[in-house]
Amino acid sequence: KNEVEQSPQNLTAQEGEFITINCSYSVGISALHWLQQHPGGGIVSLFMLSSGKKKHGRLIATINIQEKHSSLHITASHPRDSAVYICAVSTNYGGSQGNLIFGKGTKLSVKP
Amino acid sequence: EAQVTQNPRYLITVTGKKLTVTCSQNMNHEYMSWYRQDPGLGLRQIYYSMNVEVTDKGDVPEGYKVSRKEKRNFPLILESPSPNQTSLYFCASHMGRAWRDNEQFFGPGTRLTVL
Repeated sequence: KNEVEQSPQNLTAQEGEFITINCSYSVGISALHWLQQHPGGGIVSLFMLSSGKKKHGRLIATINIQEKHSSLHITASHPRDSAVYICAVSTNYGGSQGNLIFGKGTKLSVKP
Repeated sequence: EAQVTQNPRYLITVTGKKLTVTCSQNMNHEYMSWYRQDPGLGLRQIYYSMNVEVTDKGDVPEGYKVSRKEKRNFPLILESPSPNQTSLYFCASHMGRAWRDNEQFFGPGTRLTVL
């Protein structure tokens, strides 16, 4: 079983729809990251959170530490949101503290 | 501008021909890592470094070497590349060990093909 699981793997939405991507993890973490990878390949960090909720523009990230679960929401989706969204966790144990474990990503396609 | 740079961005080579992919960051970050990304497998860590002269293996270190002689540079060395090392490679850095210092900065990626 993977330590970081994302769902869905693929998601197609119409422009304007509300989108949710889920991430569950099974290891001890110090932080959870949401990353975005556009078709060109580059990866950017969207959020890093250890508790609660963060908002940036139309993007909202939440985390429930007790349930080991995080969600990434996109409101009023737009074709430019089309990308792969990757959940990753920073481990909080052992010598590798601070290293990332990645989910396999969710490929989002927003149609006009 | 704060950034992580990688070179080359694209490389086609042949089996057994030694190559180096360079990585440099200008943010004075302590931690640097190398990842490879393969379809269906996601991102996997190859090696990481916690500071100058301190490196350790990640999940898939076989066939790779690294060095960290200066804080800003973390080159990835393939002594004898093989076709199964064909992949998209990313270098990344972050400030430190505490969770607040964990924000990741990625390089633009290096697409390597080994024939």
